[in-house]
Amino acid sequence: DAGVIQSPRHEVTEMGQEVTLRCKPISGHDYLFWYRQTMMRGLELLIYFNNNVPIDDSGMPEDRFSAKMPNASFSTLKIQPSEPRDSAVYFCASSFGAIAGNTIYFGEGSWLTVV
Amino acid sequence: AQTVTQSQPEMSVQEAETVTLSCTYDTSESDYYLFWYKQPPSRQMILVIRQEAYKQQNATENRFSVNFQKAAKSFSLKISDSQLGDAAMYFCAYRNPYHSGTYKYIFGTGTRLKVLA
Repeated sequence: DAGVIQSPRHEVTEMGQEVTLRCKPISGHDYLFWYRQTMMRGLELLIYFNNNVPIDDSGMPEDRFSAKMPNASFSTLKIQPSEPRDSAVYFCASSFGAIAGNTIYFGEGSWLTVV
Repeated sequence: AQTVTQSQPEMSVQEAETVTLSCTYDTSESDYYLFWYKQPPSRQMILVIRQEAYKQQNATENRFSVNFQKAAKSFSLKISDSQLGDAAMYFCAYRNPYHSGTYKYIFGTGTRLKVLA
């Protein structure tokens, strides 16, 4: 399996621009997670989906952030408008929830810099 | 709410020596999962080891082993025969049982491990 695939790997954008991060989970996984990692706050869970349905979005910082999962093989995290404090590494991860495994597999991350 | 605490921001170990990273957690569940993840400078998150709470036997993966103390809610990671490639940030993580309805993984703040040649 190719693992969790994220794009872009790196993005530099200007404040106020829209940013869209993309994720393809591991085939067959029914849970998808978006995390944000910063030096100050560590690894924060933003939102997670089960069978394409958002289950817990309590970690989404504010209305500028939105996430969708239109199908089992694709999810997006959008920031509009972006601000310098959004600069972070954004990880997508997936997991098979039901039984064995239960391990969360991470993508390589999207490094976002907002200037 | 469940919490995960890693009280050691940074640790150092001499190459070939053994080091133990600490992790404590808080939960009211009796059946759950615990993990250690490694994050090298590349930022890739790599699973090191996993423990199911209903299993009393401590998990082991080659040079990595855990000391799982359920009553104390402690889950430490022992790295034996440390190698330069072990240098990384290590995260402890907790996950509720599937039936709990809350399936999110909760991570500690991490311990940066330095390996000295």
